[in-house]
Amino acid sequence: QSALTQPASVSGSPGQSITISCTGINSDVGSYKFVSWYQQLPGKAPQLIIYEGNKRPSGVSNRFSGSKSGDTASLTISGLQAEDEADYYCCSYGGGTISYVFGIGTKVSVL
Amino acid sequence: QVQLQESGPGLVKPSETLSLTCAVSGYSISGGFYWGWIRQSPGKGLEWIGSIYHSGSTYCNPSLRSRVTMSVDTSKNQFSLNVNSVTAAETAVYYCVSSGWHVDSWGQGILVTVSS
Repeated sequence: QSALTQPASVSGSPGQSITISCTGINSDVGSYKFVSWYQQLPGKAPQLIIYEGNKRPSGVSNRFSGSKSGDTASLTISGLQAEDEADYYCCSYGGGTISYVFGIGTKVSVL
Repeated sequence: QVQLQESGPGLVKPSETLSLTCAVSGYSISGGFYWGWIRQSPGKGLEWIGSIYHSGSTYCNPSLRSRVTMSVDTSKNQFSLNVNSVTAAETAVYYCVSSGWHVDSWGQGILVTVSS
């Protein structure tokens, strides 16, 4: 299982929008709608912020949105805030039996 | 809401077996989720280790399958992980998780150091 490709870092100013891409190379991102995104604050466990490509769990800000085109999924954070500084990981259902493939992670910095 | 809490030794010697347990609260382990383990090496990304269903069916990362054993104890509402023949490269924070098509809930994580 190869990790999904994400940019190592993305930055933006407060109020701006940023987008993080997540590209698969095997039968993962492009084959299933089950792409999820996780936010990991420093020293904390990851937390689910997007599932099934574009759905938000209860309590997650609507500034977070997800989409997918072909083999690439994307996470957009709009109205960037200082509290959004964190690592973000994409994850795809790996197919067949239960399996999950994670992206390498993207560090978001708010300038 | 599902709550998960890992427990186990924080230090394991190379070539020995890493053993962790995850206590589940707020939800019956027989209720329908898959129960699994994900690890994160210091400064690195996330790696799915494996998952188990309450029936005992297990699913493992192919790269670890030969060294991983998982079990579930429905009477105690907990599940466990064993990884044998560990190396220093497997020093990581180990998270227990609940999942379906995505990973839904995470434990706080436990740091396991592999060192002599």
